[in-house]
Amino acid sequence: DAGITQSPRHKVTETGTPVTLRCHQTENHRYMYWYRQDPGHGLRLIHYSYGVKDTDKGEVSDGYSVSRSKTEDFLLTLESATSSQTSVYFCATRGLAGATYNEQFFGPGTRLTVL
Amino acid sequence: EDQVTQSPEALRLQEGESSSLNCSYTVSGLRGLFWYRQDPGKGPEFLFTLYSAGEEKEKERLKATLTKKESFLHITAPKPEDSATYLCAVQAEGGTSYGKLTFGQGTILTVHP
Repeated sequence: DAGITQSPRHKVTETGTPVTLRCHQTENHRYMYWYRQDPGHGLRLIHYSYGVKDTDKGEVSDGYSVSRSKTEDFLLTLESATSSQTSVYFCATRGLAGATYNEQFFGPGTRLTVL
Repeated sequence: EDQVTQSPEALRLQEGESSSLNCSYTVSGLRGLFWYRQDPGKGPEFLFTLYSAGEEKEKERLKATLTKKESFLHITAPKPEDSATYLCAVQAEGGTSYGKLTFGQGTILTVHP
């Protein structure tokens, strides 16, 4: 399994405050992804990265930004958190090599509550 | 637009009672279909990738099959530890290579001893 950690694992914040979630991987995978998971919507892609400093938007990117300054780290920032961003956030990676070249591997998730 | 529909939404089985989960998909061209298992409070765990109709893959009590319109996850003689949410996702051909996945909403499987 890909070594993926997310921090923090739980966070409660207030509306209007900035929040940054961190994803760290030890597998040297090229691709990294941020998803949110909500009841009734399943997993939806927020942003993804295809290399250091190379990022692009997913299907639900409004209100989110990302950065990737190192292969192993992918940050998700909520510039001004809103209650609609209360969700569970998952990071995933994809290596493009070996037997699992096309599979995405997921981290443990961060539960974010915006009051 | 790619779509994935999983059924049933929830399935309750007795230990040893075999059954199947369904994943119906609509995609312009299928590059791959993925099955994941998700335990409460954890991230999805990869199970299988299927690439072409007729393909089958097995792992312990699970077998995944693929047709041109749907995939089945067959569970043979399930045990309580198989209880989890099972997610299906598709990746379409063409477009960018970033590996966009479209997920279904999952089937919650509960296996009673």
